[in-house]
Amino acid sequence: QVQLVQSGAEVKKPGASVKVSCKASGYTFTSYFMHWVRQAPGQGLEWMGIINPTGGSTSYAQKFQGRVTMTRDTSTSTVYMDLSSLRSDDTAVYYCARADDSVASDIWGQGTLVTVSS
Amino acid sequence: DIQMTQSPSSLSASVGDRVTITCRTSQSISRSVNWYQQKPGNAPKVLIYSASSLQSGVPSRFSGSGSGTTFTLTISSLQPEDFATYYCQQSYSTPYSFGQGTKLEIK
Repeated sequence: QVQLVQSGAEVKKPGASVKVSCKASGYTFTSYFMHWVRQAPGQGLEWMGIINPTGGSTSYAQKFQGRVTMTRDTSTSTVYMDLSSLRSDDTAVYYCARADDSVASDIWGQGTLVTVSS
Repeated sequence: DIQMTQSPSSLSASVGDRVTITCRTSQSISRSVNWYQQKPGNAPKVLIYSASSLQSGVPSRFSGSGSGTTFTLTISSLQPEDFATYYCQQSYSTPYSFGQGTKLEIK
């Protein structure tokens, strides 16, 4: 079945970096873009960016420009989201989500909790 | 960037009620709005894409309408499993922003 499986929870100190992975299965990896969305505790959804698995091109929300890098590995059907210079307000659940033809997120990963704490 | 203004932020309703959630955008975006449902501890689930297209497997009591700058999600007859938080999202241009969410609670 179509699914996205994300890496496990992380605890990081302020100033560190985190890399979250998202492994796709059950469909042609290069046929669908992938979103990254995060959700701070008790808060709403925040769109971070999108990657085209075919060529690796990306588009990031201005808020994260310079701190986020999204990459992919077509040999393993995995996308990655790297966030640097972590702050306490980066504590959130990070989701990858497949973008369908209308750019809606039709398949979501289970989420990865990243906790930033000294 | 396109701003999404979703209302109300919370709503109390009873099983069987008809409810409507509205999303307004800061500029015209044709029909490029999606609606999601999220339950506590779970990832969001898409209900409606392109303003009015029902995602496969989603009950027909959910419907979407609108174009331009005003969009609505309607649940025709609330069921117990519909109590959740709902988000709109624009897919017209990056950044693909979300509304603030509407928490639908049992009255």
